[in-house]
Amino acid sequence: TQLLEQSPQFLSIQEGENLTVYCNSSSVFSSLQWYRQEPGEGPVLLVTVVTGGEVKKLKRLTFQFGDARKDSSLHITAAQPGDTGLYLCAGADRLADSWGKLQFGAGTQVVVTP
Amino acid sequence: NAGVTQTPKFRVLKTGQSMTLLCAQDMNHEYMYWYRQDPGMGLRLIHYSVGEGTTAKGEVPDGYNVSRLKKQNFLLGLESAAPSQTSVYFCAGGPPGTGHQPQHFGDGTRLSIL
Repeated sequence: TQLLEQSPQFLSIQEGENLTVYCNSSSVFSSLQWYRQEPGEGPVLLVTVVTGGEVKKLKRLTFQFGDARKDSSLHITAAQPGDTGLYLCAGADRLADSWGKLQFGAGTQVVVTP
Repeated sequence: NAGVTQTPKFRVLKTGQSMTLLCAQDMNHEYMYWYRQDPGMGLRLIHYSVGEGTTAKGEVPDGYNVSRLKKQNFLLGLESAAPSQTSVYFCAGGPPGTGHQPQHFGDGTRLSIL
């Protein structure tokens, strides 16, 4: 089992501040996905990164995949209360018979207060 | 457009009772997955299916069984519930692939075993 470690576990910030969430592993992944989960709901995909070194931007969210495809980060600029949620990273195996299975990190709970 | 629907949303069982969780999807996903989510442990894969009539074990399959008689439905069964199975259960569907494709999640079933 490839382990994904997310840090920090919990992050509380004021509206307008910036934050970064990290997702690290000792294993190489073929791709990495970021999901956001709100209370009482299932995770919803934010982005998929595939290429080592890739950077993707989604409005105020910036996602980066490490050059070695072992780690990723999510940076939020000028956080808003609507960014509150549990952020999960999930890695996909490189094997062809992985059947789309994902290995999830434990998540980072982000709370943005007005 | 319902997406992925899980029933029931909440359930309380006594130790030793059995029950079935239903997942229905109208997105024509080939692959379907059952996860459990526990505090501090992220999402862990219980069982999955890569097509109608197929099932396979995930990371934590003990105490659970599954069936996929129809493409749109994926059932998770607990034959003899135990307190350790208290958790939030999520079903997800996704297209065939190596993990670059997103998984679409239901809103979960919160299960308590007394």
